[in-house]
Amino acid sequence: DTGVSQNPRHKITKRGQNVTFRCDPISEHNRLYWYRQTLGQGPEFLTYFQNEAQLEKSRLLSDRFSAERPKGSFSTLEIQRTEQGDSAMYLCASSFEGSEQYFGPGTRLTVT
Amino acid sequence: ILNVEQSPQSLHVQEGDSTNFTCSFPSSNFYALHWYRWETAKSPEALFVMTLNGDEKKKGRISATLNTKEGYSYLYIKGSQPEDSATYLCAFRGTGNQFYFGTGTSLTVIP
Repeated sequence: DTGVSQNPRHKITKRGQNVTFRCDPISEHNRLYWYRQTLGQGPEFLTYFQNEAQLEKSRLLSDRFSAERPKGSFSTLEIQRTEQGDSAMYLCASSFEGSEQYFGPGTRLTVT
Repeated sequence: ILNVEQSPQSLHVQEGDSTNFTCSFPSSNFYALHWYRWETAKSPEALFVMTLNGDEKKKGRISATLNTKEGYSYLYIKGSQPEDSATYLCAFRGTGNQFYFGTGTSLTVIP
């Protein structure tokens, strides 16, 4: 297993467009987390899945954001009608139960 | 939203110096405290998971202590090397499943 992977690594989009990011966790990990990180800040929790169930969502996650993990393996994070304030690094992490999280390299989103 | 604070925000040390940084977190509803190292252009790498008051963990020249009663953890690096240059993040995990990260301490080790 090569660890957690995320695609794409970089995304530049125009305001108002929709974007979708993918995360492939470590295969035996049942938990998957999404975070957003902006300059000078630590990662902020967005949502997490246990298997295919989305168990928690942060209040930061507006209704323009949706995340899925349909088969309990990879996950997608979609942002609809992007705004400039959505520009950030989007990080995915996975873990087995509540053990330490392993992070992917992130997807850097720039909204112009 | 919980407040997790790290200090200092950034640090420059000479190669060979020892250094330490602090992570402060709420002392209530504590479950675990995680430390990560985040090098530029790489993924955050887990260093330690600490759960018990008084825990001390060590990995090579890096060690960490935990005080859950007063809500702080220290990370120590002995004999800093240039390859230790990175941002060091702590994350508080309460009795829910959310992780609350600090803003990190950026360490630069000058050869």
